[in-house]
Amino acid sequence: DGGITQSPKYLFRKEGQNVTLSCEQNLNHDAMYWYRQDPGQGLRLIYYSQIVNDFQKGDIAEGYSVSREKKESFPLTVTSAQKNPTAFYLCASSHTPGQGVGTNQPQHFGDGTRLSIL
Amino acid sequence: GQNIDQPTEMTATEGAIVQINCTYQTSGFNGLFWYQQHAGEAPTFLSYNVLDGLEEKGRFSSFLSRSKGYSYLLLKELQMKDSASYLCASHAYSGAGSYQLTFGKGTKLSVIP
Repeated sequence: DGGITQSPKYLFRKEGQNVTLSCEQNLNHDAMYWYRQDPGQGLRLIYYSQIVNDFQKGDIAEGYSVSREKKESFPLTVTSAQKNPTAFYLCASSHTPGQGVGTNQPQHFGDGTRLSIL
Repeated sequence: GQNIDQPTEMTATEGAIVQINCTYQTSGFNGLFWYQQHAGEAPTFLSYNVLDGLEEKGRFSSFLSRSKGYSYLLLKELQMKDSASYLCASHAYSGAGSYQLTFGKGTKLSVIP
């Protein structure tokens, strides 16, 4: 079945450590996204990519890095510079969004990764 | 800038109808999404409105007024499984050929017997 796979489901980070969250999709979507969700908060965009080898910062990119070497994969690295990394991280993908009627390109989400600090 | 407001929590009775409102102030606005998110799970797509008016999809309907910057999600014949957070998200042009979703904080709906 087509879908988005995030791994691991739970991840623990030590002080000063970088960790990488995996996101793989087999939906043939061009666009991929990373969001962070804190308790009682909406989803906030970290990074997004609309095409291979290109990505843009979202609203809260500081302390994070991404790569998009393959269409199917969009890994997120939480660096030691991110001082408050504990959150629920969601990866999403969609066909290339466009404008106006007929551009219903919903984002499909993975099951998420919960990151905590040791 | 982008600003989206929706109520934090709502409670409704099984079998009833509930309306969840969302107001937005979004530059480059293209349309409005509604997602459902059960606790600890990923959001799932419910509806997308581009034009003004009501879109009906089974027990769920969504309405948009672009001139008022207002949308609502209407849930009919509420079931216990409808207890979840409902996320309103504006779809907008962000420049350089890119579009982004900006999410509200979500409305936690509790359905009681």
